[in-house]
Parts: sequence; C-alpha cells; structure tokens
Amino acid sequence: NAGVMQNPRHLVRRRGQEARLRCSPMKGHSHVYWYRQLPEEGLKFMVYLQKENIIDESGMPKERFSAEFPKEGPSILRIQQVVRGDSAAYFCASSPGGLAGAQETQYFGPGTRLLVL
Amino acid sequence: AQSVTQLDSHVSVSEGTPVLLRCNYSSSYSPSLFWYVQHPNKGLQLLLKYTSAATLVKGINGFEAEFKKSETSFHLTKPSAHMSDAAEYFCVVSPFYNQGGKLIFGQGTELSVKP
Repeated sequence: NAGVMQNPRHLVRRRGQEARLRCSPMKGHSHVYWYRQLPEEGLKFMVYLQKENIIDESGMPKERFSAEFPKEGPSILRIQQVVRGDSAAYFCASSPGGLAGAQETQYFGPGTRLLVL
Repeated sequence: AQSVTQLDSHVSVSEGTPVLLRCNYSSSYSPSLFWYVQHPNKGLQLLLKYTSAATLVKGINGFEAEFKKSETSFHLTKPSAHMSDAAEYFCVVSPFYNQGGKLIFGQGTELSVKP
C-alpha cells in the first residue's frame, strides 16, 4: 500500500521560472494539505483541498502561488515566477476525509525540495 | 488562537538514557495534539496522537506522551534512547477538533544521541 507520493523529490529553478509540485494522496484519501518548511523552521500550513474544491487557503501567499486537486490525477502546487525566497521543502499530506470521531491523522509524503538559483 | 511552543531547540542524550522533549500548547478548547518525527531529508512520520481519550498516549518505537491540561503541556518521553532516535521532532496542535484541517507545528527539537 503506497503512501503519499510527491514528485519531483528535488527541483531546481532559475528566478522567474515556474515550479510545479505534484502530490498523489494515499489510496482512498480525498483530503490533501500542503505545507512549506523554510530552512531552520517548522512546517507552515499553506492550503487544504478536497477533490475539485479549496477548503482553506489561509496560508497561501497572495500572489504567484496556486493549488488544485482535480477530480482525476494528483494535486498540484504551482509557483509562478519563482524567487530565491521560495527555496524550501514543500510537503504534502493526505487524510481519509469523512470520518466522525477522532481527529483525522495526516500522512505526509517525502517532500519536494525546491532550490531557486 | 492556537499555538505550540517547543521549549528546546536541541537536546543531546547518551544512548540508553531517558529522552524528554518538552512541548507547551495554547488552545481555547480541548485540542488534538500530535508528535511527528522527521529523519534527515525524509518526510514526517506520526509518532503518536492525543484526542481526549486517555491522557497518557503510547506511540511507536517506545515513545509516549502525557497530556496535562493544568500545565498545558504534552511532553514526549522515552525510557531509553537508541541511536536511531536521532532526528527532528515536532509537536503539533490541530485547531479543529474532530474535523480535518490545518496543523500548527512547533519549531522543532533536534535530538542527538551519543554512543
């Protein structure tokens, strides 16, 4: 049973280019979350999506960043016109969704490490 | 607003000695609390979670944590450290009890284990 998958694992971009990060949730999971980890810091929430729907994007920068989770295929985090400050590790997590009771556990992928030159 | 503070940025122990990683939280209602571990250049693995059942929570690899409401603490302990425990540990609070939603992470504690 594959866990959360992210690709690419490492991504190098020059300033001004676009970065596309992909996340495939665990089988049967319908909720996806994106987090960013800057050097020497903890993870910061960016966005929470369900299929074809953005539930909470309160952590997303106002410009250049967007996310989607289409009906078919992986979730995509897109960063346009990257700058050096975007260099970070981006983690995706997924959870089953639709469960009553205890707080759902989020299962994390291995991350994509973005380096902007 | 919910927040979590990890009191030590770095902890160093000798192999075979106890581990204590400290975490305090702030929440306006009964939170869900988690500890995750991150090995170098890897993703995060859930160690344990608290969701208002037993206050002493047992996790994987011999770790456990105790929820103390009066002290707003959720410290992580292990009786005997192993070299493989060396990693970054994150205390996490969820502001949406019984729902999905964003997690709020502490700054992390780096655990070093000396032979």
